[in-house]
Formats: sequence, structure tokens, C-alpha cells
Amino acid sequence: DSGVTQTPKHLITATGQRVTLRCSPRSGDLSVYWYQQSLDQGLQFLIQYYNGEERAKGNILERFSAQQFPDLHSELNLSSLELGDSALYFCASSAGGGSSSEQYFGPGTRLTVT
Amino acid sequence: DAKTTQPTSMDCAEGRAANLPCNHSTISGNEYVYWYRQIHSQGPQYIIHGLKNNETNEMASLIITEDRKSSTLILPHATLRDTAVYYCIVRVESTGNQFYFGTGTSLTVIP
Repeated sequence: DSGVTQTPKHLITATGQRVTLRCSPRSGDLSVYWYQQSLDQGLQFLIQYYNGEERAKGNILERFSAQQFPDLHSELNLSSLELGDSALYFCASSAGGGSSSEQYFGPGTRLTVT
Repeated sequence: DAKTTQPTSMDCAEGRAANLPCNHSTISGNEYVYWYRQIHSQGPQYIIHGLKNNETNEMASLIITEDRKSSTLILPHATLRDTAVYYCIVRVESTGNQFYFGTGTSLTVIP
């Protein structure tokens, strides 16, 4: 158990809909990262927040957005969903935001868009 | 740009040491090498990381060459539960320290 929690574990929705994925970091960790893992793309970094502020952006679509709240939990919002958005979405957290901080990953949310 | 190169797959006999190589020839002086593994569709699990010196923890050892262009992850006594995809990652400090996962090495531990 990494200490990172994600809800829900599974989500099935239809194209065009909007969903929100939630992540609670390990106690004391200030950074949250979101990753997408699909069969054909592998693990792709989406976005990072550090203590409530956006720190880095990766391959995140404009239809996707995220935020980190004062209690440090984070939400990833996916809108206008397409079939290709079906994937595992992982959240990770680390104590700091620097290159020497290891990231601890949650169990993931499996999103299926039908 | 590809930051790391790993063999696609490897086998290892149970109880033997598993040595997983990784090439990172374009690594910069302040970039760390991280190793993670992913079992089935679980969240990636941190194994070990290092900058210049060899590192050891309860899970594995990390051997980094002197020129830092390659490294080897060593699982000293592989068990069936070590069957997983192993990712070697170079952390790119200039782009926010996020991880860029490659395709990894699929390690199969054989009874």
C-alpha cells in the first residue's frame, strides 16, 4: 500500500460525458502527479501540482483539467469524453517537487468510455 | 527523444539474481536514474533511484557506470512475485521533474 488513494476504482460512462477522478496523496506529500496509461501509449505524464499550484504540464488534452485543493487532494476532470480516453488513470504523490523525490503511485482508476 | 533504452523482455530462474540493464547515454549531470515496476495493471511501484553512486535497499541494488551512461538493476534473489514490467527512468529536471516512462522490460521469473 503506497498510501495514495484514488476513487473511484472503476468508471464506465458514455461518449460526450464528463467525469471527475479523485486522488488523495500520502500524508505530508505536497506534489501530486497525474498519468494516463492506455494500451497503445503506455504511461503518459499529464500534469503536476505542487502545494496547490500547477508545476508542470505534459501530454494533457484541453478537454482535461485538474486542480489541487488546500487539503492537498487533487481532482482530474475529463470532459467531452471520447472512446480513446478509455485508460487507466494514475495519481502519484511525492514529498517535494524536485528531481530527488521519489513518486508513490495510487492503485489507479480504470475509465471505460462506451 | 528517447531517454532510456531497455530490452523488451527477459527471463530469470526463481532464486537467481535478475540483472536488468538500461542505457541512458544522454543523461545530464544532475539527472537521477529511477527504477519502478508495474505488476499487471497495478500502480507503478518505486524500487530505487540514484545519481552517481551505487545504491542498495531492501528490494534491489542499482549499479551506475562511472560515465553514468548506463545502469543495472539487480534483484538478488528473484521470486515469482517479481514478475513485472520494470521501467528505467531518467528524471528530466529541466521539464519539471516528471517521469517519462518508456516501454520497460517485461521480466518473467520462471519456477
